[in-house]
Amino acid sequence: GAVVSQHPSWVICKSGTSVKIECRSLDFQATTMFWYRQFPKQSLMLMATSNEGSKATYEQGVEKDKFLINHASLTLSTLTVTSAHPEDSSFYICSARGHNEQFFGPGTRLTVL
Amino acid sequence: RKEVEQDPGPFNVPEGATVAFNCTYSNSASQSFFWYRQDCRKEPKLLMSVYSSGNEDGRFTAQLNRASQYISLLIRDSKLSDSATYLCVVNSNNDMRFGAGTRLTVKP
Repeated sequence: GAVVSQHPSWVICKSGTSVKIECRSLDFQATTMFWYRQFPKQSLMLMATSNEGSKATYEQGVEKDKFLINHASLTLSTLTVTSAHPEDSSFYICSARGHNEQFFGPGTRLTVL
Repeated sequence: RKEVEQDPGPFNVPEGATVAFNCTYSNSASQSFFWYRQDCRKEPKLLMSVYSSGNEDGRFTAQLNRASQYISLLIRDSKLSDSATYLCVVNSNNDMRFGAGTRLTVKP
């Protein structure tokens, strides 16, 4: 089946640094990718919808200047957490729609010290 | 009201038990429905789609009631490997909304 990869799988950083997470669809083209965040024992929360070649659509309450999304090609979307703080520590998961199914990346666990 | 609501769980059942999960959704215009399974610290994976006519895949049966905006998942003869969190997912115009998940633990 279709595969979505994420890199890195985990990252630990100091407060105030920026972290970039890559999401790639490996065997299909995805005009739309989605970024989710999941805190421990909570559901996945949609952060934004990433559209190839245009600006991302952010959910209410998600700061677009803090969570920068770039969808430069049909197979790559990136999420940059700028000036990360401990409260940004979470599990970030991307997904892409292909073959009439939504496929998820393996997730990136971010820990901000 | 949350867009997608699920039984909070956790469900702790013995092997071989039958367990049912329920889910309700608020958007009556929702178009497609799914159950996903998420193992600890992993990404969600599609378990099965849910159709109005009901559908079955081995030990798993999913039902949809559009009038009541209700979705269910039934697991028969549960196995230890069924232990996971089950997520109810509702899709409206390619906007997928997740329930909080119901945690299932199957014990020997």
